[in-house]
Parts: sequence; structure tokens; C-alpha cells
Amino acid sequence: DAKTTQPNSMESNEEEPVHLPCNHSTISGTDYIHWYRQLPSQGPEYVIHGLTSNVNNRMASLAIAEDRKSSTLILHRATLRDAAVYYCILRDTIQGAQKLVFGQGTRLTINP
Amino acid sequence: NAGVTQTPKFRVLKTGQSMTLLCAQDMNHEYMYWYRQDPGMGLRLIHYSVGEGTTAKGEVPDGYNVSRLKKQNFLLGLESAAPSQTSVYFCASSLLAGLTDTQYFGPGTRLTVL
Repeated sequence: DAKTTQPNSMESNEEEPVHLPCNHSTISGTDYIHWYRQLPSQGPEYVIHGLTSNVNNRMASLAIAEDRKSSTLILHRATLRDAAVYYCILRDTIQGAQKLVFGQGTRLTINP
Repeated sequence: NAGVTQTPKFRVLKTGQSMTLLCAQDMNHEYMYWYRQDPGMGLRLIHYSVGEGTTAKGEVPDGYNVSRLKKQNFLLGLESAAPSQTSVYFCASSLLAGLTDTQYFGPGTRLTVL
């Protein structure tokens, strides 16, 4: 599986932007970059995904480097409810698109 | 529209006992999945199903069996529970399994094997 590398933890303040980095230097041309998050004591939930271009939705933005070897999930104005573990996941056809391979993710703490 | 539901929410078993975890989805999704999550770790895929009557092995299938007799239900069985199976189990479903398809997760079942 193409691997991703994320910081173990990050901390930010409420109402400030948060930039969560992800490195995926072995990404292939057809791999999609997905982000899921897991709130405390809940199952993971989808956040956003992209291939090459930057993407925005109501939850977050995804900025993808031009060489696609890294990406950044951006929470524009963090709230206490955004405290969660954030997973950066690559999906590819070789390993089977049905697989979501979770690493350890980044634990985001939001200070009031 | 309940999404993905799991039964039970908590369970304690003794070594050697058996049990079945039930996952149900009301979104008419073709694909369903069982994952386990150990403390401080990400989720690992146990088994998955690409449609009614079909199942396939995931990353960590040993010690588990699954069945998908109805499209909306996906059962995970432990025939002889072991302490190593103490974990939180998550079920998920997706409409399809393309590279952009979203998986929707249930709330989890916390299983302790003594």
C-alpha cells in the first residue's frame, strides 16, 4: 500500500485555522487522497477527498501539492467539535479501491 | 434514515465463548465492511462484502467469520473468542467501491474478552 505520514498530534485554538499535513511521497498517478476523522468514541466520518486540484466542501479544504507528494487538510475556523483524530488515506486500484488503510492519524486538540 | 447501526454496543465474553455482531444499513449500499480498532491504532479491515451472498477476506481475517444473507445486514462472528480479539469493532458501508466512494461507519461495538 502507498503509505502516508502524519504528525502524531497537533494543537490549535478555537476559531483559528488549522493546517493538518500529510506526506505521501510514493503516491501513484491514480491514487486519490482521502481524509476521514474520528471524533471521540465514534466511528470515522468522511471529510474530503481529491486527486490533483484543491478541493473545498462545507467541512474543510484540501490543498494538494503540485507534485502530489504531500497534501494539507485545512479547517478554516476550528471549533471544539473539531477535536478528533484525522486520517489521511490513499486509495488506489492496485490494492483494491474498497480498502481504506488507516494509519495512526493526527490527534487534533482544540483549546478554548 | 438511521445510516449504519451496530448491535450490541458493548459486550464482555469469556475466552472460548462465541458471539455474533450485527451490522445493518438502510442506504441500499452494495458494499459492507468490518474493521477492528485496537487502542491507539488505526482501523484494520477484517472482512468485507461486495454484495448479498458474497464475502471476502481483509487484512486480519483469522478468528472471524462473516455472512451477508440480506443486502442490508452484515454479520461478524467469533466462534471461539480470545483475549487478542478485545477491540472496538466498526462496521461500514458504501454504495460502490470506486476510488471516490465514501464509506459510512457505524458507532462501534466495544468487545472485551476475558
